[in-house]
Amino acid sequence: SQTIHQWPATLVQPVGSPLSLECTVEGTSNPNLYWYRQAAGRGLQLLFYSIGIGQISSEVPQNLSASRPQDRQFILSSKKLLLSDSGFYLCAWDSLSGANVLTFGAGSRLTVL
Amino acid sequence: DQQVKQNSPSLSVQEGRISILNCDYTNSMFDYFLWYKKYPAEGPTFLISISSIKDKNEDGRFTVFLNKSAKHLSLHIVPSQPGDSAVYFCAATRDNYGQNFVFGPGTRLSVLP
Repeated sequence: SQTIHQWPATLVQPVGSPLSLECTVEGTSNPNLYWYRQAAGRGLQLLFYSIGIGQISSEVPQNLSASRPQDRQFILSSKKLLLSDSGFYLCAWDSLSGANVLTFGAGSRLTVL
Repeated sequence: DQQVKQNSPSLSVQEGRISILNCDYTNSMFDYFLWYKKYPAEGPTFLISISSIKDKNEDGRFTVFLNKSAKHLSLHIVPSQPGDSAVYFCAATRDNYGQNFVFGPGTRLSVLP
């Protein structure tokens, strides 16, 4: 069966510091991968998605970037964090042959101080 | 402009009674709708979905109703249980592409014993 892992689960970082959140998927090949953010009182906002290695599409201009160095690995990064980057970050996957259902990881809580 | 709206931020229901969560959308191109359930500090989990060619889909205690003319869907939980207490997100998409998912802001359901 397929599983999705995210780490770290929680992170407290000072303003201006770098960020790296990692996501890996097991049990499938060629997944579509997604990074979402849930801000307080808001729905899930799509940040980036990737349909293959090295292929990244950005949905929202911001202080963050994403990379997909391997088929089942998706990384969310920032060179210098802002206070507004605080939130709950979720990685998700689906497949073109799937049932049109996004499967989410457990999430990473980022607090920027 | 929010394409998917959940106008009730919160809902409290007595255990054993029916919970009705509502969702409205504005984009008539949406053809697939989903409900996700989210516990604190966890990722959302898929609950139930419905295609635009149907007006009802049932799965155990959960039923989703779709009214295309009103651009409205609802999730019914009968009977409600304390373990159903969570945030419920409505999502809509089109063309079977994960990157087209649009999530509502969520409704926090509290089932009181």
